[in-house]
Amino acid sequence: NAGVTQTPKFQVLKTGQSMTLQCAQDMNHNSMYWYRQDPGMGLRLIYYSASEGTTDKGEVPNGYNVSRLNKREFSLRLESAAPSQTSVYFCASSWGNMNTEAFFGQGTRLTVV
Amino acid sequence: GENVEQHPSTLSVQEGDSAVIKCTYSDSASNYFPWYKQELGKGPQLIIDIRSNVGEKKDQRIAVTLNKTAKHFSLHITETQPEDSAVYFCAASTPGGADGLTFGKGTHLIIQP
Repeated sequence: NAGVTQTPKFQVLKTGQSMTLQCAQDMNHNSMYWYRQDPGMGLRLIYYSASEGTTDKGEVPNGYNVSRLNKREFSLRLESAAPSQTSVYFCASSWGNMNTEAFFGQGTRLTVV
Repeated sequence: GENVEQHPSTLSVQEGDSAVIKCTYSDSASNYFPWYKQELGKGPQLIIDIRSNVGEKKDQRIAVTLNKTAKHFSLHITETQPEDSAVYFCAASTPGGADGLTFGKGTHLIIQP
């Protein structure tokens, strides 16, 4: 089992460009999440999907959109990248409603210049 | 929403000594408190968790304590080893748990040889 797989691992964008971060999990988890990690800020929730077919905003959703493509896949889209979106992005999954372990991917390091 | 404070931001201990990291939370409804370890270049990984119906939990050299009245919980690592060097995050989740974890800002633990 691969667990949670994120692509790409690294990306450099110019201001105004768009891109989609991909995430897939093979644990049959119900819930999936996108976090961003900035120095000294911990991990902040961008969007989450409690179950297939639903998505909700987290703490810092502005500038992002998400799609829960199916139970396995949850993508994060930046429509018009800004330097403030330079960060490390982590996708995670969990069973969700039982407050059980969340499994994280390896992260995507995004730089917007 | 939930707010989690974590202290200290950096902790340096001698190999073999104990390390203690403390967190407080604001939402009295939170009932699940995991601790994650993040090594350089990797995603966070769960090391121990505790639920609100338990006051203490231990797993080999790692223990977590929870004081619901004071709304704080702590991570204790005994007999520290070089491989314990990492960034540690506490987190809290409300009942249901599908809307994700709220993380503290992290503690960089340095084990001095």
